[in-house]
This record gives sequence, structure tokens and C-alpha cells, in this order.
Amino acid sequence: DIQMTQSPSSLSASVGDRVTITCRASQGISNYLAWYQQKTGKVPKLLIYAASTLQSGVPSRFSGSGSGTDFTLTISSLQPEDVASYYCQKYDSAPFTFGPGTKVDIK
Amino acid sequence: EVQLVESGGGLVQPGGSLRLSCAASGFTLSTYAMSWVRQAPGKGLEWVSAISGSGGSTYYADSVKGRFTISRDNSKNTLYLQMNSLTAEDTAVYYCARLSCSSSSCQSPPRNWIDPWGQGTLVTVSS
Repeated sequence: DIQMTQSPSSLSASVGDRVTITCRASQGISNYLAWYQQKTGKVPKLLIYAASTLQSGVPSRFSGSGSGTDFTLTISSLQPEDVASYYCQKYDSAPFTFGPGTKVDIK
Repeated sequence: EVQLVESGGGLVQPGGSLRLSCAASGFTLSTYAMSWVRQAPGKGLEWVSAISGSGGSTYYADSVKGRFTISRDNSKNTLYLQMNSLTAEDTAVYYCARLSCSSSSCQSPPRNWIDPWGQGTLVTVSS
């Protein structure tokens, strides 16, 4: 099975900072990758699908890139409401594995 | 508005069984593949199972294969997860989720992302 890793596992940044989270698949998954945001005590929310397509209603400061095995989620200017855990997920074929998550805090 | 409402969670003893239900509304269930995802307390998301729109194809994580069964009744707009031989490691919030795609019909789980998610139902396995 393809394994998904994320780095870093957590980060602390200042408001306005550019934040980058990396997701890596152990084998190529083309662009079948989604990113989800989960705030504490809340339901996960889709941010990006097909590696780089922004879900409707998601602020444009979020962006995704990558293909194959290496992917990134970027927040161009971190806002207080972006404090959350972020998960990548492969959906090319089963099992549809999630990455372990990255927790983002405000410094 | 798309709504997914899970029910059936609760406290169950190790070795016991539980059936979760997910009532779907706001869309035609048969045209969408569906999935279950769980999250143990304080842990990350774990994909559990998925099923095609017709119910003819099912997929399971290795951790639940042989113990859990996903099914659906499109006439009742309901998704199910039958969970048997439960252990403490199955303790989690279980989310029902619709699988979405770029076309109007998203019936096959592969190549479909999760959106939206239900509110979740807590399953606690403990004696």
C-alpha cells in the first residue's frame, strides 16, 4: 500500500507569514490528492482537490501544488482563523490513506 | 443543502457489535459513492471504508477488513457500517462522507475526494 507522510508535524508562525506544508506519497499518485482543514472540535473541511484546485468558498490565500509523489499546501498569509490541523489524502485507489496531519498554530 | 446525519454510536463492550447509520439528504444518494472515516480521540483521520453508488463495489482499510461491512439502501437514502468484533482500538468518532468529483455522477470511489462530511458519531469500546 502507498504510504502518506507530512512535514512538519506541527508549526508555529506569525500572522501574515507564508506557511508551507509538504505531503509525500511513497509511490506516484498523479494528482489524486486532497487537502482538508480541521479546526479543534469541528468536522474536517475540504480545501483543495486534484492537488491544486481550490474548493469553492475557500480563501484564495490557500493554494496547492504538486504531482506524482510530492505535494505542498501553502497559506500565503497566515490568519488567526487558519489555526487548525491540515491533512492530505490520496484518492487514486484504495486504500484512500490520509497523511498524519500538520498542526498549525499562531506564534 | 447536502446533509449527512450519523446515528448509532455509543458504548459497546469489547467483542461486541454496532451498526452505524448515515441519513443523507439534499442529493440523490445513488449517484454518489460514499465513505466512512474515523478519528480516534486526539489522533488523526483514518479512512475506514467506501462503497460505490450502486453498492456493488466495496473497499476497506486493512484494520477493519473482515470485521466491518459497509452497505447502503438508496431507496432509504441511508448508508450503513456494520461493525463486529470491536476492540478498544476502534474507539473513535466515525464520520460519514460523500465522495465528490467533477462530473454530475460520482459513483465509483476511486478518483473521488471527500466532500462533504457528516457531524460524526462517537463509538466507545470499553468494558
